[in-house]
Amino acid sequence: DAGVIQSPRHEVTEMGQEVTLRCKPISGHDYLFWYRQTMMRGLELLIYFNNNVPIDDSGMPEDRFSAKMPNASFSTLKIQPSEPRDSAVYFCASSLLAGGPREQYFGPGTRLTVT
Amino acid sequence: AQKITQTQPGMFVQEKEAVTLDCTYDTSDQSYGLFWYKQPSSGEMIFLIYQGSYDEQNATEGRYSLNFQKARKSANLVISASQLGDSAMYFCAMRERGFQKLVFGTGTRLLVSP
Repeated sequence: DAGVIQSPRHEVTEMGQEVTLRCKPISGHDYLFWYRQTMMRGLELLIYFNNNVPIDDSGMPEDRFSAKMPNASFSTLKIQPSEPRDSAVYFCASSLLAGGPREQYFGPGTRLTVT
Repeated sequence: AQKITQTQPGMFVQEKEAVTLDCTYDTSDQSYGLFWYKQPSSGEMIFLIYQGSYDEQNATEGRYSLNFQKARKSANLVISASQLGDSAMYFCAMRERGFQKLVFGTGTRLLVSP
């Protein structure tokens, strides 16, 4: 089975531009998470969805960030306008609620550089 | 307050030796789960092992074991017979009851030398 798929793997953009990161969770998983990883702040949760509904967006840094999950197999994280401090690796992860430890499976990440 | 504390920024171990990576956590819940993830230099996050707060036995997965000491609120990862491929960042994380989100520690960088 395919794991969590993220695109693009690398994104370089100029300050002020809109950036859209994409994620396809593992089929059948009902939770989807967006994380950001930086040297200064480590790995921090931005938002997560359950059955396509946003549950907790308290980690979204500001209004420039938005996330959607229009269906069970696709989610986007948008930054508009982007700023240099948004440079980070953005991970998408998914998990299954029912049974077991419900570990999260991470995608390969998108490395975003804003110049 | 820090929920997950990893006090070792870096650890060194020789190949074939065992190594323990420390993790302490803070929660008032009785029901929670503890996780360890590995992040190699390629960047992906790989799930290694899970321990539930009610599990009586320490979790094991191949060369990985979790030394769970509930009273001390510690969940140390033990890697036996280290291999060169174990060189990576290791993150401890916790999920509290009623929440799906994980809270991660700052990580420990492990370097395995020949």
